[in-house]
Amino acid sequence: SQQGEEDPQALSIQEGENATMNCSYKTSINNLQWYRQNSGRGLVHLILIRSNEREKHSGRLRVTLDTSKKSSSLLITASRAADTASYFCATDAYPGNTPLVFGKGTRLSVIA
Amino acid sequence: GAVVSQHPSWVICKSGTSVKIECRSLDFQATTMFWYRQFPKQSLMLMATSNEGSKATYEQGVEKDKFLINHASLTLSTLTVTSAHPEDSSFYICSTGDLYSNQPQHFGDGTRLSIL
Repeated sequence: SQQGEEDPQALSIQEGENATMNCSYKTSINNLQWYRQNSGRGLVHLILIRSNEREKHSGRLRVTLDTSKKSSSLLITASRAADTASYFCATDAYPGNTPLVFGKGTRLSVIA
Repeated sequence: GAVVSQHPSWVICKSGTSVKIECRSLDFQATTMFWYRQFPKQSLMLMATSNEGSKATYEQGVEKDKFLINHASLTLSTLTVTSAHPEDSSFYICSTGDLYSNQPQHFGDGTRLSIL
């Protein structure tokens, strides 16, 4: 499976600032999802955006999707120290039970 | 509550040991489960697709004789790392989804395998 790219690979910001992470992928998709992973832990599902959607919000999270550029962004507003984690985008090609292709991830550090 | 249960969460064992990891779907019948591997500071890579009642499908570069997958029931898939060596040390995580639902997949909490 071909992985997507995420940038930046690492991001360090002060508490209260906004954090923006970008993801690019290579093939046509059905859904794009963002996950968070704390160090040494499992994945936490954050948000799913479908290929026919352009923007989605959930609390302090805002996700955009540009299928023409095969890219997505995740914005975390008013960041907190607890947001420190790795963030991954993941795509799937069909609805239902198909494997996800993960991006390389962005390691976010929020400094209190 | 958890929809997918994965055990054990952490294993430390000697080189040459075989280790079995279980992944159970709790709320629905999982005809397909996925096994991923994650090396430190890297992303998740699909290892294999586990199909209930049939052979697993392995990704290129994954040794099927090294990583044995059994999906004998609709709620349980197991991954056995045979004769594990230090290079097999990694984070292994399973996932599954409801075939008839276009909802996010459910992930287990993962198994951290450390081979001494």
